[in-house]
Amino acid sequence: EIVLTQTPLSLSVIPGQAASISCKSSQSLQYSDGKSFLYWYLQKAGQSPQLLIYETFNRFSGVSDRFSGGGSGTDFTLKISRVEAEDVGFYYCMQSAQLPLTFGGGTKLEIK
Amino acid sequence: QVQLQESGPGLVKPSETLSLTCTVSGGSISSSLHHWGWIRQSPGKGLEWIGSMYHSGSTFYQNPSLKSRVTISVDTSKSQFSLNLTSVTAADTAIYHCARQKSSGWSLGFFDFWGQGALVTVSS
Repeated sequence: EIVLTQTPLSLSVIPGQAASISCKSSQSLQYSDGKSFLYWYLQKAGQSPQLLIYETFNRFSGVSDRFSGGGSGTDFTLKISRVEAEDVGFYYCMQSAQLPLTFGGGTKLEIK
Repeated sequence: QVQLQESGPGLVKPSETLSLTCTVSGGSISSSLHHWGWIRQSPGKGLEWIGSMYHSGSTFYQNPSLKSRVTISVDTSKSQFSLNLTSVTAADTAIYHCARQKSSGWSLGFFDFWGQGALVTVSS
């Protein structure tokens, strides 16, 4: 089973400042066509997870361009360029390169 | 916009079967691009994938950690898919989410639309 390790566990950010979350995989998620099957979700309080980024760097429909994803192989990053109050919640990475599908343990983002 | 809604009992007794149904609206459950899946979330284990199924039933995948206790079925006439989890224990207490899964390359892919989640408690 592929283990996804997220860091930090939590972060507190001043509105307008940038934030970065790391997701490290126990095995490479990159395959022959160059794709990495790594995704990012945000779960706001009382809601289901919502897709932010798919295949490492593609923003899902309607997602703010303040969110960007990057990385390859085993190391991936989600960046938020200018944090807003609405960005508060838990962020999760997920992989589909190998079954079973697995999620990272989550990173809690709060506003200072 | 695709919408999903879970329904089913919120309380199940130990050793019995947990049964949930997900109703899909705003999109076709018979889409060739999608699987339909279940994910659960508990404080102790975070987000855990349970299983995914294609609408025709031709492909079904489940998390081996659940030791073959999982059945997923699809009823295209009702635009619904269902989860059965047998022999439940307190460890199966969780919020259960249904979701649409879009294929990515050759992999099962990602969950792009989720239901709001249903809390199921296992207790006598």
